[in-house]
Amino acid sequence: NAGVTQTPKFQVLKTGQSMTLQCAQDMNHNSMYWYRQDPGMGLRLIYYSASEGTTDKGEVPNGYNVSRLNKREFSLRLESAAPSQTSVYFCASSGGLGIINQPQHFGDGTRLSIL
Amino acid sequence: GIQVEQSPPDLILQEGANSTLRCNFSDSVNNLQWFHQNPWGQLINLFYIPSGTKQNGRLSATTVATERYSLLYISSSQTTDSGVYFCAVAYNDYKLSFGAGTTVTVRA
Repeated sequence: NAGVTQTPKFQVLKTGQSMTLQCAQDMNHNSMYWYRQDPGMGLRLIYYSASEGTTDKGEVPNGYNVSRLNKREFSLRLESAAPSQTSVYFCASSGGLGIINQPQHFGDGTRLSIL
Repeated sequence: GIQVEQSPPDLILQEGANSTLRCNFSDSVNNLQWFHQNPWGQLINLFYIPSGTKQNGRLSATTVATERYSLLYISSSQTTDSGVYFCAVAYNDYKLSFGAGTTVTVRA
């Protein structure tokens, strides 16, 4: 039972490069989320997808795009990476529609460094 | 959005000690969760607890929604309890707002 799987686990980019972070869940959850975690801080929501076919902005969406490819997969794209986007990125999912009465389950994270 | 404050920011415990972590939030919530981030960075959901009390082994949590706080109790702490504990609250159907966390170090 894999739960939430993120790839890659580590990545180093140069400023201006683009890349896509992948996330897949096998729990048949409707809602999926992308967060970033910076040193000494809690997680901040970048984007979320309440259900297949919908996406919406969170607290810190600038510089990112997302795609809900199907019910299982939710990707995060950096079009032109900037040093300020150096962070640890977490994908999460929850059952039902949204998080009412539902716990969130997290992947192991992607550590992204932008030089 | 809702403000979430956790205290203390850091906690050092001797193995076997008990401790209480606190989470205060600024508005009514319909979802409160506690997470443990282990030293390898993995985030584990400990409790979904919008109100009342729950227990899971040596851990228990209480949320008093009317007074806008939640407490996480660690009893008979072990070195494997080390890490960062986060409280997160929902401010609408889809968004969780996280506190800055309490870093717990349990010494053998």
